Amino acid sequence: KNEVEQSPQNLTAQEGEFITINCSYSVGISALHWLQQHPGGGIVSLFMLSSGKKKHGRLIATINIQEKHSSLHITASHPRDSAVYICAVRGSGGSNYKLTFGKGTLLTVNP
Amino acid sequence: KAGVTQTPRYLIKTRGQQVTLSCSPISGHRSVSWYQQTPGQGLQFLFEYFSETQRNKGNFPGRFSGRQFSNSRSEMNVSTLELGDSALYLCASSFLVEAGGHEQYFGPGTRLTVT
Repeated sequence: KNEVEQSPQNLTAQEGEFITINCSYSVGISALHWLQQHPGGGIVSLFMLSSGKKKHGRLIATINIQEKHSSLHITASHPRDSAVYICAVRGSGGSNYKLTFGKGTLLTVNP
Repeated sequence: KAGVTQTPRYLIKTRGQQVTLSCSPISGHRSVSWYQQTPGQGLQFLFEYFSETQRNKGNFPGRFSGRQFSNSRSEMNVSTLELGDSALYLCASSFLVEAGGHEQYFGPGTRLTVT
């Protein structure tokens, strides 16, 4: 079983829809990252959070440490949001202090 | 401020050869991490350097090695290349590596093809 599980693996939405991507993890963490990867490979860090909620424009990320779960929400989705979204967790210390990644969620937003 | 740069961007090598990839972090960033991305395994952590010291290492064979220089630039080396080493190699830099981690800034990657 992977330490980081994302769902869904693939998601197709119509422009304007509200989107949720989920991430569950099984280890103690010091931080959780949400990353965006467009075709061609470039990765952009969207959020880093260790508690609560963060918001950037139309993107919202939440984390529940007790339930070991995080969600990434996109409001009023747009075709330019089409990308792979990757959840990554940083372990809590020592040799675990490294990023472990989920397999990613491929989001396609149709106009 | 310039972003993370990686050279070369594309590389084709033959099995058995060795390769060196380079990463220049954002100015002021002292932490550099390396990752391998393949279609089958996704993103996997290779190693992390901070102030010229390897702070952490992933589960890769000893053929994979790296180092960091005093100016924070980092190199990774893969010896005796295998077909399975074909991947996108990504480097990321951050300001610090302590205290819960800091936001990572990724380079564009080096796409290595082993034939």
